[in-house]
Amino acid sequence: GENVEQHPSTLSVQEGDSAVIKCTYSDSASNYFPWYKQELGKGPQLIIDIRSNVGEKKDQRIAVTLNKTAKHFSLHITETQPEDSAVYFCAASRHPGGYNKLIFGAGTRLAVHP
Amino acid sequence: GAVVSQHPSRVICKSGTSVKIECRSLDFQATTMFWYRQFPKQSLMLMATSNEGSKATYEQGVEKDKFLINHASLTLSTLTVTSAHPEDSSFYICSARALTGTYEQYFGPGTRLTVT
Repeated sequence: GENVEQHPSTLSVQEGDSAVIKCTYSDSASNYFPWYKQELGKGPQLIIDIRSNVGEKKDQRIAVTLNKTAKHFSLHITETQPEDSAVYFCAASRHPGGYNKLIFGAGTRLAVHP
Repeated sequence: GAVVSQHPSRVICKSGTSVKIECRSLDFQATTMFWYRQFPKQSLMLMATSNEGSKATYEQGVEKDKFLINHASLTLSTLTVTSAHPEDSSFYICSARALTGTYEQYFGPGTRLTVT
């Protein structure tokens, strides 16, 4: 079945540095790739997403890149701040069909140190 | 916009009893709602997908008679954990997809269930 691998599992950076999280998916029919941020005890929050017809998308300090040929996509956070500390999940799904069923990666625990 | 709420946020129940969790889309109509389960320091595990007015589709290994899902309207889905046991203790999270054919899925804040 569909599988999404996410690396690294933990990431520690100094405030102001950049952070990069990478994911690889197995289903070549996947065409939607969201990223979620989850703080302790809360539900995941959609922070950015990308569709397969786009190679890169940026929103202020956050950007996502997609390489369809290699079937991997990455989250880039620049100028990290302590409030960026959280668990980040990547996911993949296919549309139409499949009821937008998201396949999640295992998560990356990001710690930003002041 | 795109706010999903869950109630209750925390619940403690005794073994053998049932507990109901509500998931509501507050400012949009949701064609499809999803229920996830998350254990500490783990990823989200999809339990079932529910569409308004039809039976839920359960993932492999999820007991449909134990986890009853009802999607009564375009803004409300409920998950009932029947005959709860301590191993059912977990963080339950719902999400919703809007009616209008968008791809985005928005998550609720989660419900922490503890079965004693």
